[in-house]
Amino acid sequence: DQQVKQNSPSLSVQEGRISILNCDYTNSMFDYFLWYKKYPAEGPTFLISISSIKDKNEDGRFTVFLNKSAKHLSLHIVPSQPGDSAVYFCAASAIKGNKLVFGAGTILRVKS
Amino acid sequence: DAGVIQSPRHEVTEMGQEVTLRCKPISGHNSLFWYRQTMMRGLELLIYFNNNVPIDDSGMPEDRFSAKMPNASFSTLKIQPSEPRDSAVYFCASSFVLGYEQYFGPGTRLTVT
Repeated sequence: DQQVKQNSPSLSVQEGRISILNCDYTNSMFDYFLWYKKYPAEGPTFLISISSIKDKNEDGRFTVFLNKSAKHLSLHIVPSQPGDSAVYFCAASAIKGNKLVFGAGTILRVKS
Repeated sequence: DAGVIQSPRHEVTEMGQEVTLRCKPISGHNSLFWYRQTMMRGLELLIYFNNNVPIDDSGMPEDRFSAKMPNASFSTLKIQPSEPRDSAVYFCASSFVLGYEQYFGPGTRLTVT
């Protein structure tokens, strides 16, 4: 029962272009969403989050969009840099003291 | 500020041996999580604690796995006896508030031969 799905196992983007990573969820109780980045041999690193009361949150080159009606969120990276090459995990929680549920991850490769 | 600290970083052991993984969460964080990452199953939540109390251990695969949190600054994940299929990277994470962003340690790569 995958409540958080990242349907693209990998994505390849040219340096300087936009990277768009997608995530879908099925549990309508989720109201807090996060993106994590993971480099090989390291733990996942928190990147950006969004609450369900918003539809967009921006932090530098990273923007997360939330479409509650479609139960879909996306992470935009503009411009993409080679150092962004990593595995990106989408996660969600139903606030009220609940755990995070992670997607399977998407491997992003930014080519220079 | 020190992040989440895990030890050892690498562990190689023989099947049947006991393995103990250790974690020190970020000071002031009230929740602690143990995850396992494998190629086949991705990042799986094994167990989590809130205020040192185990809240949900439904992800613990078998009775061979156990976890404790004797105080706010230390937790262990024990596998006894270990099996080759336990080979994975085990992550510990902590958060200030349950349900919000978690901060992960560097992981322990366990190899059981």
